Amino acid sequence: DTAVSQTPKYLVTQMGNDKSIKCEQNLGHDTMYWYKQDSKKFLKIMFSYNNKELIINETVPNRFSPKSPDKAHLNLHINSLELGDSAVYFCASSPGHLNTEAFFGQGTRLTVV
Amino acid sequence: GENVEQHPSTLSVQEGDSAVIKCTYSDSASNYFPWYKQELGKRPQLIIDIRSNVGEKKDQRIAVTLNKTAKHFSLHITETQPEDSAVYFCAASRSTGFQKLVFGTGTRLLVSP
Repeated sequence: DTAVSQTPKYLVTQMGNDKSIKCEQNLGHDTMYWYKQDSKKFLKIMFSYNNKELIINETVPNRFSPKSPDKAHLNLHINSLELGDSAVYFCASSPGHLNTEAFFGQGTRLTVV
Repeated sequence: GENVEQHPSTLSVQEGDSAVIKCTYSDSASNYFPWYKQELGKRPQLIIDIRSNVGEKKDQRIAVTLNKTAKHFSLHITETQPEDSAVYFCAASRSTGFQKLVFGTGTRLLVSP
């Protein structure tokens, strides 16, 4: 009974392709996030949604477009994939009010070849 | 914006020794400071957190201290065990608006038997 689940777990694709990563949480949380973890293990926030509304949009290329059809889902679509997009992408969720734990999904390892 | 620095980047200790990881943050409005543990190939998971109205918090072998004046907070692990080996991340989040966890650069802790 996974709290935050992402699919797929692994994604290998060629440069220039478009791909999507899906995320779902069953915790009833209001806020969801996408984080990118690069090869040096740095965890950087990309986007955050609260009740389907975009609230945080860090300096991320326009090729990355998050979509939240409802507050339990936050998907990430990436256009024209580049080698530098290779990383592990983590979805996370939190209750929405301040000072609360963020629960992470298991991550999606994206490899662009 | 918030910037969180973390040291050391790697830490090797013998089983039974203590380990200390230190973080500094830049935004004086930050008031929530969680620590996450990430085992190899796994998701980050919260191990302990502290809020700015307390200076120290302890949970069995793990403790966190906070010095708001100096903008420092630290993780202390006593009687380390091989299963403590992982990457540890500190994070900070401010007290206004929506929650945005800014992570430190991570510390790889290796506990040798």
